[in-house]
Amino acid sequence: DIQMTQSPSSLSASVGDRVTITCRTSQHIRNYLNWYQQKPGKAPKLLIYGASTLQSGVPTRFSGSGSGTDFALTINSLQPEDFATYYCQQSYSTLTFGPGTTVDIK
Amino acid sequence: QLHLQESGPGLVKPSETLSLTCTVSGGSVSNSNYYWGWIRQPPGKGLEWIGSIYYTGSTYYNPPLKSRVTISVDTSKNQLSLKVTSVTAADTAVYYCARLEKKFIGSSVDVFEMWGRGTMVTVSS
Repeated sequence: DIQMTQSPSSLSASVGDRVTITCRTSQHIRNYLNWYQQKPGKAPKLLIYGASTLQSGVPTRFSGSGSGTDFALTINSLQPEDFATYYCQQSYSTLTFGPGTTVDIK
Repeated sequence: QLHLQESGPGLVKPSETLSLTCTVSGGSVSNSNYYWGWIRQPPGKGLEWIGSIYYTGSTYYNPPLKSRVTISVDTSKNQLSLKVTSVTAADTAVYYCARLEKKFIGSSVDVFEMWGRGTMVTVSS
């Protein structure tokens, strides 16, 4: 099985900050990596797929990078609506989600 | 606009079978471009893929759950269903149904593109 880790598990940031969340996999997964945003009481929302392709309708302040085993989600100029939990998900083998990173207000 | 709605009992007794339905509107479960899946999230915890199904009935399950899970599709009702047998407190979670799309970026990446709102299921006597 492919194990996934995310760091940090949580972070505090201010509106306007640049935030980077990392996701690491235990095996190479090429670019089979997606990112989701989840707000409390809501279903997850797809942000990025294929490691770096922005889903239609997602603001361009979100970007993804990486390949192989190391990936990153960057939010440029954090907005109030971006405070949420972010999950990575791999589809290289049995679908698996990372443990999540919570971004809250400093 | 595609809409997915999960429904089913909110309380299930230990050792019994959890049964949920996902009704799809604004689109067809028979659309050959998509798979359909179930994902769950225990309170305060992360997401776990349960399994996926194609409209032909082909299924794919998460190995740790495979022995207890059955996912089926009813194209006449435009619904998919989930059954989990022999439940324990560890099966307490919000259960989501979702549309699974294969995004082509040179290769095929599976993404959960559309989600239902989820339904909370508690396993307790």
